[in-house]
Amino acid sequence: AQTVTQSQPEMSVQEAETVTLSCTYDTSESDYYLFWYKQPPSRQMILVIRQEAYKQQNATENRFSVNFQKAAKSFSLKISDSQLGDAAMYFCASLGGSNYKLTFGKGTLLTVNP
Amino acid sequence: DTGVSQDPRHKITKRGQNVTFRCDPISEHNRLYWYRQTLGQGPEFLTYFQNEAQLEKSRLLSDRFSAERPKGSFSTLEIQRTEQGDSAMYLCASSLQFGGPNNEQFFGPGTRLTVL
Repeated sequence: AQTVTQSQPEMSVQEAETVTLSCTYDTSESDYYLFWYKQPPSRQMILVIRQEAYKQQNATENRFSVNFQKAAKSFSLKISDSQLGDAAMYFCASLGGSNYKLTFGKGTLLTVNP
Repeated sequence: DTGVSQDPRHKITKRGQNVTFRCDPISEHNRLYWYRQTLGQGPEFLTYFQNEAQLEKSRLLSDRFSAERPKGSFSTLEIQRTEQGDSAMYLCASSLQFGGPNNEQFFGPGTRLTVL
């Protein structure tokens, strides 16, 4: 069984600043994957970034990067140079290597202030 | 646009009625997933198809729920005798089979169900 916990229901950031969203997880799988998804208001969910658990190097995608701490089972998302379009609900999710269903956290609502 | 589409986008029904939702995945994707998202929660897995075969069902999927994917193309999710607790956003996602389980799941816009 897998669980994903996002302890920040809401976060806000000033435009052009940096913000970090927290996520912790628990899994019995030795092989697993972690994801951050973005769900803008009334729009569909899109993948922001993914991390394979066997990789030590933290994933980066342009302004988005993760801090993956495997021993601590922590997977935080850093958004640099925040833009108004980054405002959305962000979900952390995990996927065990032996199955195909994503397990999501409850989400963090990010507000970007101009 | 060749993304995942869902129909209808919104559905309001009275308790006890049956409803059916449709999902059209990305054409070359042979895996299809259904999730349910209630207010203030992340999506929860309901069921998963590989081609036309339904390979896994969550315990959340009571016997009032049935999903099909005839011919491995579009999928339908039917809820019989709806209850107020069924009110939620129903999300469909699709992915490619090959490349491992971390293949990106592409999500549709969802169908928002309100049961009065």
